[in-house]
Amino acid sequence: EPEVTQTPSHQVTQMGQEVILRCVPISNHLYFYWYRQILGQKVEFLVSFYNNEISEKSEIFDDQFSVERPDGSNFTLKIRSTKLEDSAMYFCASSFRLAGVGNEQFFGPGTRLTVL
Amino acid sequence: GQNIDQPTEMTATEGAIVQINCTYQTSGFNGLFWYQQHAGEAPTFLSYNVLDGLEEKGRFSSFLSRSKGYSYLLLKELQMKDSASYLCAVNEDQAGTALIFGKGTTLSVSS
Repeated sequence: EPEVTQTPSHQVTQMGQEVILRCVPISNHLYFYWYRQILGQKVEFLVSFYNNEISEKSEIFDDQFSVERPDGSNFTLKIRSTKLEDSAMYFCASSFRLAGVGNEQFFGPGTRLTVL
Repeated sequence: GQNIDQPTEMTATEGAIVQINCTYQTSGFNGLFWYQQHAGEAPTFLSYNVLDGLEEKGRFSSFLSRSKGYSYLLLKELQMKDSASYLCAVNEDQAGTALIFGKGTTLSVSS
């Protein structure tokens, strides 16, 4: 069964450093997402991406964050200058469509980011 | 504003039936999703409701009442492996993409 993959599984970084989290969505999916989950808290939407541009973003997704689809398979989240509060599990997700059958979002295994 | 409420914790025994409720108040509605999340793992899709009524999928069923802003997930013939968090999530807008998640219900199944 096709699945979303993410690398790395764990990332430890120093405050102020840049990090890039990588995702390979399911191959025939058209919509891509990033979510985060701070330990013990709910899953929060960050950004969605379709047709090579951002479709929607939350208040969390400020100027420190950016997303890119550098080639036909990868989807990346960059945090320019990490802060302690960026420590969280970051999930990538993808879906085939927005509405109706096929709109369910499939999540990757996550990247646990720890900012020291 | 957005508000999605679920009970924090529930307990049940193997073989039993459990119902996990979710109420939502959102600016719009374009479908409700249930996900299962085992500790330290990714959410996995369980069910989707956009019209009122019951959707059945094996041991799992999900119900939606849009007029009441209410959904439930019904788990039958509980197994130990069903111990997990169950997340209710709403998509507000047909043109929107974000899922708004509740805090999740942690279900513990004992023998």
